[in-house]
Amino acid sequence: AQSVTQLGSHVSVSEGALVLLRCNYSSSVPPYLFWYVQYPNQGLQLLLKYTSAATLVKGINDFEAEFKKSETSFHLTKPSAHMSDAAEYLCAVRVNSGNTPLVFGKGTRLSVIA
Amino acid sequence: KAGVTQTPRYLIKTRGQQVTLSCSPISGHRSVSWYQQTPGQGLQFLFEYFSETQRNKGNFPGRFSGRQFSNSRSEMNVSTLELGDSALYLCASSPTQGTTGEQFFGPGTRLTVL
Repeated sequence: AQSVTQLGSHVSVSEGALVLLRCNYSSSVPPYLFWYVQYPNQGLQLLLKYTSAATLVKGINDFEAEFKKSETSFHLTKPSAHMSDAAEYLCAVRVNSGNTPLVFGKGTRLSVIA
Repeated sequence: KAGVTQTPRYLIKTRGQQVTLSCSPISGHRSVSWYQQTPGQGLQFLFEYFSETQRNKGNFPGRFSGRQFSNSRSEMNVSTLELGDSALYLCASSPTQGTTGEQFFGPGTRLTVL
């Protein structure tokens, strides 16, 4: 069975600083990996996804993530935080098939300090 | 294309009542999944429907049920509501073919049980 661990339920960064949100996964078969962002009282918006092509994945709003199989990690980064990046970030895994559900981590709340 | 829509957006019920939530997927999407999101448990998978058939089911009691109609719209029902059912219920749809596992989420229905 797949699982996702997000280290740190809350991360705080200064505006303009590097954003690093950690995600480790467990999967017995090649996975699809996703990062979603959720603003208060809203649904989830896809930031980026890994689908076994390039290991460095670029997403929207200058976010990117690198798939590292040896470390079973898919950490999310952004070079310079903006105030508008404050939100909940969720990492999810799905096995390499269309017929299984997404498994989410517990999420990391990102705060950006002016 | 219009996104995933969910109705109602907010709902207040009392213990013991039942509730029905509705989800309309993106046009052409035949897979609809439901998730429950709470602060303590995060996002948990309820069930997935594809072409009117339940394809996957999460670990929830039988009080939680769903169905999908021929136009791919889906409903979920919760009977005999408990205080712990208070949550954000999210619906997500997926394309039929060529899927990379990506799901598109609606804004959710916020259910409060008093």
